[in-house]
Amino acid sequence: AQSVAQPEDQVNVAEGNPLTVKCTYSVSGNPYLFWYVQYPNRGLQFLLKYITGDNLVKGSYGFEAEFNKSQTSFHLKKPSALVSDSALYFCAVRDMSAGGSEKLVFGKGTKLTVNP
Amino acid sequence: ETGVTQTPRHLVMGMTNKKSLKCEQHLGHNAMYWYKQSAKKPLELMFVYNFKEQTENNSVPSRFSPECPNSSHLFLHLHTLQPEDSALYLCASSRQTGDPTDTQYFGPGTRLTVL
Repeated sequence: AQSVAQPEDQVNVAEGNPLTVKCTYSVSGNPYLFWYVQYPNRGLQFLLKYITGDNLVKGSYGFEAEFNKSQTSFHLKKPSALVSDSALYFCAVRDMSAGGSEKLVFGKGTKLTVNP
Repeated sequence: ETGVTQTPRHLVMGMTNKKSLKCEQHLGHNAMYWYKQSAKKPLELMFVYNFKEQTENNSVPSRFSPECPNSSHLFLHLHTLQPEDSALYLCASSRQTGDPTDTQYFGPGTRLTVL
């Protein structure tokens, strides 16, 4: 079965520093990977996705993610963090098992705190 | 942000009440989803509808009853819930199911508390 792991429950960075939120995946077949962000008392907002092609995917709000097939990773990155980036970040993979192509399997989430 | 709306945003109900959650999408999509987000647990897919037809029920208890009258509206009817059903209920939509590259867009959620 498809799965994703977000090894860090919490990440703290200083404003202006680069940030990385980690995600590793396990799939059979081609991986379709997504990142979402959730601000307090809000729903999930789509940031970016990897389907095929370039390993570096650019998304909303200056975020990007690097797909690494050999390490089965899809880490979310931003060169310079803002306090307003503080939120809960979810990695997700499309479940391509039989009859499951509409399923998104989510990680448990990583809480990012950017300190001023 | 306003592509998928959900009402009410907050709901408190007793175990014997009957209530409904409403979701509406303005994105011209054909697939709609209900998810449950509980504290300390990953998002759980509950139901999937594609062109008004239910295509997935992820072993959800019958006290949750979905309804999809058209591709733009999705309801979740609640009755005789349990305190452990307290959670954030998220609605999402996408162009249609069956496309693994398709993106799901989420509403703001309904925070449900069952007393």
